[in-house]
Amino acid sequence: GDSVTQMEGPVTLSEEAFLTINCTYTATGYPSLFWYVQYPGEGLQLLLKATKADDKGSNKGFEATYRKETTSFHLEKGSVQVSDSAVYFCARGSAGNNRKLIWGLGTSLAVNP
Amino acid sequence: NAGVTQTPKFQVLKTGQSMTLQCAQDMNHNSMYWYRQDPGMGLRLIYYSASEGTTDKGEVPNGYNVSRLNKREFSLRLESAAPSQTSVYFCASSEGRQGDGYTFGSGTRLTVV
Repeated sequence: GDSVTQMEGPVTLSEEAFLTINCTYTATGYPSLFWYVQYPGEGLQLLLKATKADDKGSNKGFEATYRKETTSFHLEKGSVQVSDSAVYFCARGSAGNNRKLIWGLGTSLAVNP
Repeated sequence: NAGVTQTPKFQVLKTGQSMTLQCAQDMNHNSMYWYRQDPGMGLRLIYYSASEGTTDKGEVPNGYNVSRLNKREFSLRLESAAPSQTSVYFCASSEGRQGDGYTFGSGTRLTVV
């Protein structure tokens, strides 16, 4: 069935380091792809999305490109800040029923000053 | 602010007690969802409502019931709480179209003792 696989955490970086969080998805259909962020004690917030191959989603310095050939949607940021410490979730739309999202397990990021 | 409102934010129940978690959205979204979030398990879908008047089971529906009261409100009921239902519960809504992300509430932290 449909699934999303994220790199396991926790990821620990120093401030201003480069961030990559890997996400791959099963290639059923042509799903929309999403990254969500969850700050401590809060609900999830949509960070960025892409709806078709080669689209790049971007927000708050984060970017992710929809790569159909590698079924990937890796999250990147050039210079992380302490305030980026959070859990990041990758998700895809369900094949045939885009009212539901299929979620990765989340990747915890800690950024140290 | 427009969004998804969940009540209560915190609740402690004794085993066997019942309670209803409330969720309301003011974005005129068609679809609404209930998730639980447990450490290491990511987000698991309990029930969802694709549109007003319909509800469907998700991955982990046992022990729960839902009511889509109207387009705005979607409640989750625990008839006889068990310690295994200790979790953080999130309500979310979306337009329900291809490419739409979800808007999440801030969560209810439930402890069953």
